[in-house]
Amino acid sequence: AQKVTQAQTEISVVEKEDVTLDCVYETRDTTYYLFWYKQPPSGELVFLIRRNSFDEQNEISGRYSWNFQKSTSSFNFTITASQVVDSAVYFCALRSYNTDKLIFGTGTRLQVFP
Amino acid sequence: DADVTQTPRNRITKTGKRIMLECSQTKGHDRMYWYRQDPGLGLRLIYYSFDVKDINKGEISDGYSVSRQAQAKFSLSLESAIPNQTALYFCATSDSQGGSSYNEQFFGPGTRLTVL
Repeated sequence: AQKVTQAQTEISVVEKEDVTLDCVYETRDTTYYLFWYKQPPSGELVFLIRRNSFDEQNEISGRYSWNFQKSTSSFNFTITASQVVDSAVYFCALRSYNTDKLIFGTGTRLQVFP
Repeated sequence: DADVTQTPRNRITKTGKRIMLECSQTKGHDRMYWYRQDPGLGLRLIYYSFDVKDINKGEISDGYSVSRQAQAKFSLSLESAIPNQTALYFCATSDSQGGSSYNEQFFGPGTRLTVL
């Protein structure tokens, strides 16, 4: 069975702090894809990143970075120097190569205070 | 214009009423999906369609039905709405022929449904 666990229900930080959102996944597939989505207070889902299981290179995009470790089945997301605009719910998701179904975690609500 | 649109964006209805949520896309994608989001539960798949003649049940299809009227349109119906169907509903699309093995799903803006 496939499963995505985001153990952190809610995180609060003060602006300019670094924050890491954890994502742990379970799958028996050797080929799969991992995603992060952002859901701001307005409600839409914003795609942030995808990573396939063959590519364990970490990725950095501005203040965002992602750490993919197959050995621990984790795909963690770090925001450096957080800003109030980063306040949102963040979802991690998993998809197997041979299926089109996205399995979502329960999300982590991040609140960044000024 | 948005690539994936959902109508209505907000709807309040009463228990027992039939309601339809509509999704349209201009992305030319062949695959479409309906999800619901509940607080603390993330998004769960209701139905998905790989093309006009191919419709499949997702994780939580009971109480829902769908219709793929055209490649660009995918409607979700609640035949007799009940309060625990109060949720945020998302439509999504993906392209199986896009040349990318990721088949990323693109989400609509969501429909907030309240059943009283």
